[in-house]
This record gives sequence, structure tokens and C-alpha cells, in this order.
Amino acid sequence: QITLKESGPTLVKPTQTLTLTCTFSGFSLTTSGVGVGWIRQPPGKALEWLALLYWDDDKRYSPSLKSRLAITKDTSKNQVVLTMTTMDPVDTATYFCARRPRPYYFDSWGQGTLVTVSS
Amino acid sequence: QSALTQPPSASGSPGQSVTISCTGTSSDVGGYNYVSWYQQHPDKAPRLMIYDVNERPSGVPDRFSGSKSGNTASLTVSGLQAEDEADYYCSSYAGNNNYVFGTGTKVTVL
Repeated sequence: QITLKESGPTLVKPTQTLTLTCTFSGFSLTTSGVGVGWIRQPPGKALEWLALLYWDDDKRYSPSLKSRLAITKDTSKNQVVLTMTTMDPVDTATYFCARRPRPYYFDSWGQGTLVTVSS
Repeated sequence: QSALTQPPSASGSPGQSVTISCTGTSSDVGGYNYVSWYQQHPDKAPRLMIYDVNERPSGVPDRFSGSKSGNTASLTVSGLQAEDEADYYCSSYAGNNNYVFGTGTKVTVL
């Protein structure tokens, strides 16, 4: 059974850096073709793809947020970490991590974690 | 890259069919056969319903089908059931390992 779970702060202040962790089980990020991505969803709004990390440590970012994002992995802990700098209230959203088993879709999703940006 | 365009809402009576469109450009929907569709119930995580334009993952009812023509992809739900009432999002590969999602469509079962 494949599971993913997001963890991190529920509240961050403007200008701070957000760090979110995705802990997964049921698959390996060393398997060729596999990736773990981050997608967010502001309250009442649409999904937005943020970043993707591949089994070979290749990393891809949304062009509009590339300068603020970093994605890394700890294979031994089955974790993928997303950092987003210079947080703003418009970044308030539920952040999901999801598995990409092969190009180009996400087949398993975490429950999501709501992050509120407010002073 | 801009979000793919979906109608805000769609509806149908139980047993009827509803089709949702997803319009992009030749750089995303029109350029690749990598359109996927996700169902999302309130306060839940998205669920993959269709991938690679018209492939269904195991466990997804065959009432759900996908297609594509030019820069527009479509999701059809046949034989609507109450549990199909949800938000639906399309997504497409957009080249250079980028992904783009649609604006979302709320499906109501009348």
C-alpha cells in the first residue's frame, strides 16, 4: 500500500521560509522513473504544480516560483523536503505531495497540509 | 505557463452523462498525449481518474473516459451517480518537465 503524508508548520509569518516534509511508504524513490512532486491549492482555488524530484535526483520547478523553491530527498528516511522562501499571505494553501510513478501523472497523493501565512 | 481552461461548473441528472472540457495550447495539451484528470471531493486529496488522455487506473469505474482533440481534452462521466459530485481538474505535461493544472470544474448531480 502506497502512502504519503505531509508535515510541517501550520502557520508561518510573511517573509519567513517554509519547510515541508513528505514522508512516504510503499514505494522507493530509487526506482527508475519514479518521482515525488509538490502541488498546492489555495482555499477554494485550483491546484498548482510546484516542484518534482526524480529518482536520479533531477529536480524541476514551476517556472513562476523557481527562484523561491528547493526540493531535496533523504532516501534512507523515505522523505522529500520542499522549502519555499519569502512566504507571503498569497501562499496560504493546502500543500500536497504526490507520487509520479512514470511520466506524466500523479497516482497517489498525501492528505495535504494547510499552511497559513499571516503575521 | 498559464492554467488550462475548464468550465467552472457542469451538471447532470443521475444516469445522464456529463462532459468537461480542458483547453490548453500546442505547448501543453495539444503537444503531448499526457493529459490526466483528477477528482476531488471537499476537503479530500485529489484522486487520479484518467492518465495519458484515456487510460483508467485500476479501480476507476469505466463510466469515466477521456479523449483529446487538438488543444482540448475532455472527460466524460457516463451514468452519473451521486458520488460523482465533486471537483474535477485536468492536468497536462507542458514540456521541459513542467506540469500545468486546469482551473477546475464543479460537477453537480441534480
